[in-house]
Amino acid sequence: AQSVTQPDIHITVSEGASLELRCNYSYGATPYLFWYVQSPGQGLQLLLKYFSGDTLVQGIKGFEAEFKRSQSSFNLRKPSVHWSDAAEYFCAVDSGGGADGLTFGKGTHLIIQP
Amino acid sequence: NAGVTQTPKFQVLKTGQSMTLQCAQDMNHEYMSWYRQDPGMGLRLIHYSVGAGITDQGEVPNGYNVSRSTTEDFPLRLLSAAPSQTSVYFCASSRDRGMNTEAFFGQGTRLTVV
Repeated sequence: AQSVTQPDIHITVSEGASLELRCNYSYGATPYLFWYVQSPGQGLQLLLKYFSGDTLVQGIKGFEAEFKRSQSSFNLRKPSVHWSDAAEYFCAVDSGGGADGLTFGKGTHLIIQP
Repeated sequence: NAGVTQTPKFQVLKTGQSMTLQCAQDMNHEYMSWYRQDPGMGLRLIHYSVGAGITDQGEVPNGYNVSRSTTEDFPLRLLSAAPSQTSVYFCASSRDRGMNTEAFFGQGTRLTVV
């Protein structure tokens, strides 16, 4: 069975500092990997996704993520965070990319300090 | 574009009551699903549908029923609400599965069972 681990429940960074959110997955074949963001009281918005090809993927809002097969990781990065980046971030894995098969991590709550 | 619309946004039920959470999408997506989000648990798949007339169980289906009579609508029914069903419920849809597809999420329904 596929699974996703987000080791950090909470992360606090200063505004303007760099950010890395960790994600490790377990899946037998080549996975489809996603990062979603959830602002308070809102639904989930897709930040970026990896299906194949270039292992460094660019997303919206200045985020990027790197797929490392050898480490079973798909970490999310941003060079300089903004106060508006404060939110819950979810990593997800899927065998097919559709709405029916996503397995989510438990989420990382990002706090931005002024 | 409306995307995925969930109603109601908030609901309080008494134990044993029944209700239906509504989900509608206007993107002509074949795949639709329901997830529940609990603190520290991420999102877990309840039921999903790969097309009108076809539904299947996800990870946590007990206590919930679904049907898919049209492509647009995918209601979630709680037949006899229990406090353990207090959660935030998200509906999602996607065009299909596979590369270059994306799951779109509704804004969520926050349900409290007392």
